[in-house]
Amino acid sequence: SQQGEEDPQALSIQEGENATMNCSYKTSINNLQWYRQNSGRGLVHLILIRSNEREKHSGRLRVTLDTSKKSSSLLITASRAADTASYFCATDAIGSNYQLIWGAGTKLIIKP
Amino acid sequence: DGGITQSPKYLFRKEGQNVTLSCEQNLNHDAMYWYRQDPGQGLRLIYYSQIVNDFQKGDIAEGYSVSREKKESFPLTVTSAQKNPTAFYLCASSIDPSAAQETQYFGPGTRLLVL
Repeated sequence: SQQGEEDPQALSIQEGENATMNCSYKTSINNLQWYRQNSGRGLVHLILIRSNEREKHSGRLRVTLDTSKKSSSLLITASRAADTASYFCATDAIGSNYQLIWGAGTKLIIKP
Repeated sequence: DGGITQSPKYLFRKEGQNVTLSCEQNLNHDAMYWYRQDPGQGLRLIYYSQIVNDFQKGDIAEGYSVSREKKESFPLTVTSAQKNPTAFYLCASSIDPSAAQETQYFGPGTRLLVL
């Protein structure tokens, strides 16, 4: 079952600009994670935000969580060509029996 | 180097054939997972294992089988019953079963194609 939905599905920006991706989910969660996937590769964990947190930073990444709206955003500041990848959110819905539920991802392209 | 390895990188399956995808981890993680990824879609859970000699079906287990005889290894067999096996298969692990909802560490994936 797919709980998370990212938007936009695809995003193309110039190098140096900021990129914002959003994730919406349907049921109550314990935490929400963001992962990156380079083309044809495995996923890499970026950041985890718990349901009692509203904002979290890691380097050029900023994640926000609004549990009242059941949504999260991932902001990448000062984008670089190496940020070109697909970005996925994953939630651990309460009662999901240890499973992560994944969105379909946002494909980000950084133009040099 | 610590991490998760998957082999082969590409795998071709003939009609009616069973094929096995390998997943090995040296992270000493208890929990391991198999996901299927189709183009433009998120990950769907096939099977997961929280401890050696135990595994549970995920959302799309039909046509697949697994074993967990060793902590380090969680091979996935795609059987002939899986009628649409062409996909990218990802193996992951996490520190312990209760941490399944925490960070998962992924292998590089195996792309399965049908001849």
